Amino acid sequence: EVQLVQSGSEVKKPGESLQISCKGSGYSFTTYWIGWVRQMPGKGLEWMGIIYPGDSDTRYSPSFQGQVTISADKSISTAYLQWSSLEASDTAMYYCARLEGGSGWYYYWGQGTLVTVSS
Amino acid sequence: EIVMTQSPATLSVSPGERATLSCRASQSVSSNLAWYQQKPGQAPRVLIYGASTRATGIPARFSGSGSGTEFTLTISSLQSEDFAVYYCQQYNNWPPLTFGGGTKVEIK
Repeated sequence: EVQLVQSGSEVKKPGESLQISCKGSGYSFTTYWIGWVRQMPGKGLEWMGIIYPGDSDTRYSPSFQGQVTISADKSISTAYLQWSSLEASDTAMYYCARLEGGSGWYYYWGQGTLVTVSS
Repeated sequence: EIVMTQSPATLSVSPGERATLSCRASQSVSSNLAWYQQKPGQAPRVLIYGASTRATGIPARFSGSGSGTEFTLTISSLQSEDFAVYYCQQYNNWPPLTFGGGTKVEIK
């Protein structure tokens, strides 16, 4: 059974750093792109970027380039989303999801990680 | 970047009625379009990919149509569990993949 299990909720202060994770299981982690999607409170879905764990090829949305870092450790089948300095506007639910067959749509999603940034 | 525009923002429908949701792309995306359903507190779930192919386990009352820049998701007879927010997403030209703003289907 394919599963994407994300790390738990986080409460941080502005300026702090953070890394959240997404662990894949039940499939070959290195052969599927893993993407990250942001959903701000009460808002829609925003695509942040994507990584191919097999070779760490990473692509970002222009809106998020330079704001976050996406990485992966294929030895433990885990993808990461990282911030070096959080802002209140980073408060959101973050989902990871597996791209199907390199096409561009997502079938398997993580359960989401809620990040709250508040002073 | 391809911009996806969904309409209407909110659709009020009675159970058993038909719902028609629209999605427009700012440039052609061929048939590289997916539809997702999201219920409160849940991750999105794919309904349709390739503009018209139902994903595994999706009931036949959900259907997708269109190509190029105009797409439609139709729910033939709304069930109580179908009241949710629906998003379209293009994957013809990425990065970035882009989502529409969503259509909320609510009970009339």
